[in-house]
Parts: sequence; C-alpha cells; structure tokens
Amino acid sequence: EVQLVESGGGLVQPGGSLRLSCAASGFTFSNFWMTWVRQAPGKGLEWVANIKKDGSEIHYVDSVKGRFTISRDNAKNSLFLQMSSLRAEDTAVYHCVREWDFGYESYFDYWGQGTLVAVSS
Amino acid sequence: QSVLTQPPSASGTPGQRVTISCSGSRSNIGSNSVNWYQHLPGSAPKLLIFDDDQRPSGVPERFSGSKSGTSASLAISGLQSEDEGTYYCAPWDDSLNGWVFGGGTKLAVL
Repeated sequence: EVQLVESGGGLVQPGGSLRLSCAASGFTFSNFWMTWVRQAPGKGLEWVANIKKDGSEIHYVDSVKGRFTISRDNAKNSLFLQMSSLRAEDTAVYHCVREWDFGYESYFDYWGQGTLVAVSS
Repeated sequence: QSVLTQPPSASGTPGQRVTISCSGSRSNIGSNSVNWYQHLPGSAPKLLIFDDDQRPSGVPERFSGSKSGTSASLAISGLQSEDEGTYYCAPWDDSLNGWVFGGGTKLAVL
C-alpha cells in the first residue's frame, strides 16, 4: 500500500525557516517524480514544487522561488521541502504527492494527509 | 488568482447531472492533458479524471471529463450526497513551467 507521511510542520515567525519531510513507502520511490502541493486556509490547492526521479530536474511556483528548496533522498525514500524567509501567505497545509509520469500520462495519484505550516508572530 | 477559471460553486439535487467548467489558455489546457481532482471534507484530494477523459480504476462511470480547445469540463451524473466537496482541474502549464490548479468549484448536493 502506498503511503506518504508528512512531518515537520508547525508555527514559525515571519522570516523564519522550516524543513518538511515526507516518508514514502509501498512503492519504488526512485521511480517517481514527487511534488509538494499546499492549501492555505479557506483557499484552493496550489502546486508548490516538484522534483524528478533522480533529482536532476526541479520546478517551482514563482511565489516560492529563491526561498524554498525541494530535495529527495532515494536511499531513504524521503522527500523534503526546505522553506526559508517564510511569509504569512505561506501558511497552509502542505501535502506530499506522488506524480505518475509515464508515457503521455502525468498526474498526481497518491496524496499524503498533509502537515500544517503556520507563519505568524 | 489562478490562470485557470472555474466557477466557485455548483449545485444539484440527488440524481441530477452537473457540469463544472475549467477555462484556460494555449499554454496549459490548449497544450496539455487536464486532470481533475476531488477534495472531500476531511480527506486528502483524490484523482478523478486524468488525460482529459480517462477514469482511474475505482472511479464510477458517472464521472466523465472532456476538453475542447482551451476549455475542459467535468460532468457528474446521478448526483449523490457523497459527491459534496470541491473539484479542481489541473494541467501542466508550459509558460509557467509548472502545474496549475483551477480555483476550485465547491459542489453542493441539495
């Protein structure tokens, strides 16, 4: 059974840093792109960043470029999101998501339950 | 403000058919497949439709997707109370070089 379990969320002051982790199990982690998607309170889903199977290709939404860094450790089946210079608008539940990307098909097929990041003084 | 436009809300009575639209541009819907996600209260989002009109195994046939040009639609027939939730369209955007979500459509079953 595919499982994605996020951790590392919490309350942080504006300008602070936080590192999210996602422990993956039930599949061959190194065979899949991985993504972070967030949802701010009362708002819709927003894609944040994704990373290729071997970490060689990375993409970010413009609003986090230069502040967030996505990475992975395939030996430990783990995905990370290092967040710095945090702003109030980064407050959200952050979901770890597996991307199915084979042939012409590409979509998010498994989602973690999410971890809450609250940026406030 | 999303680059994809969805109606903020939709509603129907049990058994009815509802349609949710998603309007985009050449760089997203016009160039790439559209996926639809269902987000029910208290649950993680779930893939509902992929590649414009394909249903993953386990998704009932009453959910269907279509696309024409730079617009896509999700249709739900035989509406059920458990369909209440928020629905998002999501294609890749070649200009933004990333995934984009529509603003979401909150569906109410009256």
